Amino acid sequence: ETGVTQTPRHLVMGMTNKKSLKCEQHLGHNAMYWYKQSAKKPLELMFVYNFKEQTENNSVPSRFSPECPNSSHLFLHLHTLQPEDSALYLCASSHAPGGSASPLHFGNGTRLTVT
Amino acid sequence: RKEVEQDPGPFNVPEGATVAFNCTYSNSASQSFFWYRQDCRKEPKLLMSVYSSGNEDGRFTAQLNRASQYISLLIRDSKLSDSATYLCVVLSNTGNQFYFGTGTSLTVIP
Repeated sequence: ETGVTQTPRHLVMGMTNKKSLKCEQHLGHNAMYWYKQSAKKPLELMFVYNFKEQTENNSVPSRFSPECPNSSHLFLHLHTLQPEDSALYLCASSHAPGGSASPLHFGNGTRLTVT
Repeated sequence: RKEVEQDPGPFNVPEGATVAFNCTYSNSASQSFFWYRQDCRKEPKLLMSVYSSGNEDGRFTAQLNRASQYISLLIRDSKLSDSATYLCVVLSNTGNQFYFGTGTSLTVIP
């Protein structure tokens, strides 16, 4: 079983739809992240949760709504998205920040297309 | 100024060649550094952490130059399977934010 699992792998949705992305990690980490990767751009941090508490919200539009019920699960709820929101959405986890440096471990991503 | 800057390439090298990538970072207080590899349409995967004394893992060598604020990745005896995008990642000194470069594209040619 992979360390960080994301579902679905692919998602096509209309601008009026509501959908959710799911992420689960089995690495015993306490920090979880959502990143967006658009073509030709570096990864953009969206949200960070540390011990289930949101510690970063990188000026993300409210049409993206994260939820972290526990340290192992992370959701990204989507509603009224725009075509420019089409991208690869990556979940990642790490040990809690502030201690010894822990690299990020990524899930395999959800490729989202907004029509 | 960007937190992390990389030459996007592309680097096209023949099999067996040695290739080096550099990456510069802006915050001199940054403490931790990593190289990730990303294949087309897949997630980034950790290639190696970069330690102050430099470190080697098989054909891959990573080095850190704090005075000049850059890290490097050297790949020796390139294989076709090394073709990918290599991402430079810097962890902020506060430990709560990872900064990514845009990535350097490598294609190893038969």
